[in-house]
Amino acid sequence: QKEVEQNSGPLSVPEGAIASLNCTYSDRGSQSFFWYRQYSGKSPELIMFIYSNGDKEDGRFTAQLNKASQYVSLLIRDSQPSDSATYLCAVNRAGGSYIPTFGRGTSLIVHP
Amino acid sequence: EAGVTQSPTHLIKTRGQQATLRCSPISGHTSVYWYQQALGLGLQFLLWYDEGEERNRGNFPPRFSGRQFPNYSSELNVNALELEDSALYLCASSYSGTSFREQFFGPGTRLTVL
Repeated sequence: QKEVEQNSGPLSVPEGAIASLNCTYSDRGSQSFFWYRQYSGKSPELIMFIYSNGDKEDGRFTAQLNKASQYVSLLIRDSQPSDSATYLCAVNRAGGSYIPTFGRGTSLIVHP
Repeated sequence: EAGVTQSPTHLIKTRGQQATLRCSPISGHTSVYWYQQALGLGLQFLLWYDEGEERNRGNFPPRFSGRQFPNYSSELNVNALELEDSALYLCASSYSGTSFREQFFGPGTRLTVL
């Protein structure tokens, strides 16, 4: 069974710090990896996706992928109180009839 | 570019009734996915439609059903509602035929079963 594991948190960081969110997955055939942000009572919003090993940066966000270790992370630099939300990791195989598997999410709290 | 839209925003039903939820994908997207997110739980995959056909189904009873119309909009029907069906129902869309299928979510329909 495909599983995506995330620490539920909450992860609490001070404003301006780096928040590090982690996700591990069990399916070695996984090829695409997504990070979503979900504010309370709202729908998930796609933040980043990554397909290749290494780092991918977009503004204050950096996604890191290590397929050998089956590990994907999201770093948020200069964290702001508005970053306080639940972050969902999603993992998928390429093509076919595969459905992304979502983790349960990590709650992030950025305090002033 | 307009995002994924869902209607209604909120829906209140009583046990045993039927609920119909609607979703319009982003223009150009032909795949529609339905998820259930109950309070405190993760996203549970319900159904996937692509090019008008049901492609995959999650571990839900047959009273959860749906369809996709020629314009790629979709409808989710829940029959014989039970109290535990109360949840946020999310629709997402993506391009078909791509390997990596990043999904974009609509605002959701909050279903309350009394």
